Amino acid sequence: QVQLQESGPGLVKPSQTLSLTCTVSGGSISSGGYYWSWIRQHPGKGLEWIGYIYYSGSTYYNPSLKSRVTISVDTSKNQFSLKLSSVTAADTAVYYCATWEVSSGAFDYWGQGTLVTVSS
Amino acid sequence: DIVMTQSPDSLAVSLGERATINCKSSQSVLYSSNNKNYLAWYQQKPGQPPKLLIYWASTRESGVPDRFSGSGSGTDFTLTISSLQAEDVAVYYCQQYYSTPLFTFGPGTKVDIK
Repeated sequence: QVQLQESGPGLVKPSQTLSLTCTVSGGSISSGGYYWSWIRQHPGKGLEWIGYIYYSGSTYYNPSLKSRVTISVDTSKNQFSLKLSSVTAADTAVYYCATWEVSSGAFDYWGQGTLVTVSS
Repeated sequence: DIVMTQSPDSLAVSLGERATINCKSSQSVLYSSNNKNYLAWYQQKPGQPPKLLIYWASTRESGVPDRFSGSGSGTDFTLTISSLQAEDVAVYYCQQYYSTPLFTFGPGTKVDIK
């Protein structure tokens, strides 16, 4: 069973770049059939899809964040990463990595999530 | 963008009773070519990530108890918990993937015990 674990700073200053990594275990990021995703949840609010990447490197981003988001993959480390630039307090959220499965069309595996606070 | 709405915002149901959550999409999420509704349901308990319950609007994920069922087509969908258990207290979200890769979630419905 695939397991996901987010890691990265819990505090980022305004205007800086938020960087998170998701480490995948229990399966290979190169196996295909999955898109490796980032989703965030503002405190007490709903879920917002940020973007995803295929193991080949193809990426798709939410248009509302596209100008600030970069998702990359490191197949040798079985990891994928999120960078969100020029952050503001509005980017304070719990960030989840998750798998989007092609056959079901749904997000079937999730990391535990990591809270990132944007504050000086 | 496809906008998802849910009703009610919250509900309280007695143990063993039925809970019904509604989800509506701003446009149809039914793909005519394969007759599938591109809709999923998730359960999120406090301090936990969402858990996939239902996909293709009515297909239960492996390991999900059969008291959870999904129904509906086009723009109107329902998640039913046939006999509410204490462990079902959570927020439930619907999500469309018709406009893949632009996924959108509903605002959530909180389910509590009466």
